[in-house]
Amino acid sequence: DTGVSQNPRHKITKRGQNVTFRCDPISEHNRLYWYRQTLGQGPEFLTYFQNEAQLEKSRLLSDRFSAERPKGSFSTLEIQRTEQGDSAMYLCASSLGSGDSPLHFGNGTRLTVT
Amino acid sequence: QKEVEQNSGPLSVPEGAIASLNCTYSDRGSQSFFWYRQYSGKSPELIMSIYSNGDKEDGRFTAQLNKASQYVSLLIRDSQPSDSATYLCAVPTTSGTYKYIFGTGTRLKVLA
Repeated sequence: DTGVSQNPRHKITKRGQNVTFRCDPISEHNRLYWYRQTLGQGPEFLTYFQNEAQLEKSRLLSDRFSAERPKGSFSTLEIQRTEQGDSAMYLCASSLGSGDSPLHFGNGTRLTVT
Repeated sequence: QKEVEQNSGPLSVPEGAIASLNCTYSDRGSQSFFWYRQYSGKSPELIMSIYSNGDKEDGRFTAQLNKASQYVSLLIRDSQPSDSATYLCAVPTTSGTYKYIFGTGTRLKVLA
């Protein structure tokens, strides 16, 4: 069990550019979550997958955001035409599919949009 | 009313004291509750889960759940400076999906 892995750890981009983040969950976990966190706030739900199916997507996730989990293993989160308001820590978490299992977080990707 | 509410703090306690962190939630159907610790610049780390009314102890940590009052708390005994962090309460939704809602977190400062 190597834990949840996220890449890159840090990303600095210019406004208007596209960025993509990757998350590799704990191998036996079939649920995968994306959250966004800004300073002084708790993690804010973006979307989650059960295997390859995207089961819920937050209203906060504008059309510029898209997430995939093509084979039910790793996931990617893409932000198109980044804005300064997208600057945040993007957290990935995974959990077992049984009942209310806790989330296990990766180290996060810190995005800075200049 | 927010779905999960916490006092943002900071809560300052002297070293060796008991720190008491509180969380209220709005969904009466919630069945499981999680406490995470988050150091500055790091990601949340699970420290306690609780599913039944009453107390659950794990080392210096005790989680307390009162479903009738929709209240869950975390007690940290013999607080250490290394406990200084933000503590997040998380509650899964009961609407048929498994979305976890987090409070804003309580910042704890343990003074040496």
